[in-house]
Amino acid sequence: DSGVTQTPKHLITATGQRVTLRCSPRSGDLSVYWYQQSLDQGLQFLIQYYNGEERAKGNILERFSAQQFPDLHSELNLSSLELGDSALYFCASSPTVGARGANVLTFGAGSRLTVL
Amino acid sequence: DAKTTQPPSMDCAEGRAANLPCNHSTISGNEYVYWYRQIHSQGPQYIIHGLKNNETNEMASLIITEDRKSSTLILPHATLRDTAVYYCIVNDDRGSTLGRLYFGRGTQLTVWP
Repeated sequence: DSGVTQTPKHLITATGQRVTLRCSPRSGDLSVYWYQQSLDQGLQFLIQYYNGEERAKGNILERFSAQQFPDLHSELNLSSLELGDSALYFCASSPTVGARGANVLTFGAGSRLTVL
Repeated sequence: DAKTTQPPSMDCAEGRAANLPCNHSTISGNEYVYWYRQIHSQGPQYIIHGLKNNETNEMASLIITEDRKSSTLILPHATLRDTAVYYCIVNDDRGSTLGRLYFGRGTQLTVWP
């Protein structure tokens, strides 16, 4: 158990639908990151939050959005789902931005999304 | 952006040392070398990182060449549970890319009995 909790573990839905993936970071970690892993694209950074504020965006589609709540948990919302959105979605956390080793991320077990 | 080059696959006998190479010839002065691994479909796991000195922890050793253009991750006594994809990542600790790790395709290490 890495200390980063992701739910649900598996999710099957249809095209056009909307889903929400949830992440609880490791205790004390202020930064949350979302990554997507698909067969053809590998692991890709989507978005980062630090203490409730968006810090950086990667290759995140406009149909996707995220937020980090005051208790530091984060949610990734995926809407108007397409077949190509089927992937593993990982959440990761780290303690502090700017500290040495701040690229030491702790990843959760992931949420596997299947869009049919 | 691909800043590192790794062989796509390697194998190693159980109990032997696994030496995974990585080239990062364009690394800049404030960039660290990080290693992560991913056991089939699990979340990536941090292994070790370093700037210019060699580093060792309970999982592995990291050897960085003096010119910092390449490095080697060493698993001293590989076990079957070390079978995974190993990613070498270059990133700095304070810039705008903080936490935005480029994983690339990594090296699939297979440890055989």
